[in-house]
Amino acid sequence: QVQLQESGPGLVKPSQTLSLTCNVSGGSISSGGYYWTWIRQHPGKGLEWIGYISYSGGTYYNPSLQSRVTISIDTSKNQFSLKLSSVTAADTAVYYCARGVQVYATHYDHWGQGTLVTVSS
Amino acid sequence: DIQMTQSPSSLSASLGDRVTISCRASQTISRYLNWYQQKVGRAPKLLIYAASTFQSGVPSRFSGSGSGTDFTLTISSLQPEDFATYYCQQSYSIPYTFGQGTKLEMK
Repeated sequence: QVQLQESGPGLVKPSQTLSLTCNVSGGSISSGGYYWTWIRQHPGKGLEWIGYISYSGGTYYNPSLQSRVTISIDTSKNQFSLKLSSVTAADTAVYYCARGVQVYATHYDHWGQGTLVTVSS
Repeated sequence: DIQMTQSPSSLSASLGDRVTISCRASQTISRYLNWYQQKVGRAPKLLIYAASTFQSGVPSRFSGSGSGTDFTLTISSLQPEDFATYYCQQSYSIPYTFGQGTKLEMK
């Protein structure tokens, strides 16, 4: 059974870079057919798609965040990462990593438990 | 971006009720529509993908329908564990977007 687990600082200062890692277990991140994705949820709000990376390293980002986002993959460690630069309080959210299945309608069948990141000085 | 609008935003229902949640896309998305259930403090859980395909392990009381711009999630007979927030999500074009959610509460 595939499991995903986010890790990283829970508190980031304004203007700094938020960095999170998603460790994937129970399956290889190098196997094709999946988009390794970051999604966030502002407190008490809905879900916002941040972007994804394929096993080959191809990326797609939400245009609203594209200038500040980098998603990378480390197949040797079976993990992928998110970097979000120049953060503000508006980036305070629960960040989820998820596995997107590449079929007719890309859908997210496995999710991490989520990690709350607070942006505050 | 494609806007996804769910209705209602909240819904009160009783055990055994049949419940329907609607999701409308701002442009046609064929059947590129997925449904998730989220409980408080938990990650979303996939219920339905491609508008009407069941995710493995999801109870058969959940069903999805629709195509184009209008979609529906139906719960045929509410169980205690179904009280949660439900989201639709389009994967027709990037950025993928979610509806604002429908909170299902016990009457």
